[in-house]
Amino acid sequence: EAGVAQSPRYKIIEKRQSVAFWCNPISGHATLYWYQQILGQGPKLLIQFQNNGVVDDSQLPKDRFSAERLKGVDSTLKIQPAKLEDSAVYLCASSSVSTGDQETQYFGPGTRLLVL
Amino acid sequence: AQKVTQAQTEISVVEKEDVTLDCVYETRDTTYYLFWYKQPPSGELVFLIRRNSFDEQNEISGRYSWNFQKSTSSFNFTITASQVVDSAVYFCALRGYSTLTFGKGTMLLVSP
Repeated sequence: EAGVAQSPRYKIIEKRQSVAFWCNPISGHATLYWYQQILGQGPKLLIQFQNNGVVDDSQLPKDRFSAERLKGVDSTLKIQPAKLEDSAVYLCASSSVSTGDQETQYFGPGTRLLVL
Repeated sequence: AQKVTQAQTEISVVEKEDVTLDCVYETRDTTYYLFWYKQPPSGELVFLIRRNSFDEQNEISGRYSWNFQKSTSSFNFTITASQVVDSAVYFCALRGYSTLTFGKGTMLLVSP
């Protein structure tokens, strides 16, 4: 079974530019999450989708961050405009709604963003 | 609010030593899940184990073992006979009725 796919793996941009990250969850996983992981810290949830609906976006800085999951499968996270403090690893995770495993989130390799 | 504390920032051991990573959690939820993830230098978070709050049985998987003690709100992780490939950052995480909350991680360095 293929894992969570993310692209690009690395991105370097200048502040005030825009950037987009893509995530394809494990096949059949209805729930998709985006996390931000700043160096030296644990991941922090940005947004959670159930199919194509938003479940929780309370920690998403909505003035500059947006995310969508239009067809309930893959997802895009965008930052516009980027700030220096957005430099981090952006992790995508997915989980199944099947009984017995719905609490476990499986993570992708992440996208390392550096804002100069 | 949920909180996960991993007091050990970095641990260094020599190969074949046993090492225990500590995790203490806080939650008011009566039902919750605890997790350990491994993050090697490649960056991907690898799921290791999930425990629910009703199951205090300790678990062993090869060289890995986990000790869950509700009385002390701890979920510690022991690696027996450590190997260089165990070098990584290990995260403890908690999910109650809300989101998954991570600790700050413990970096384990295993030298040959």
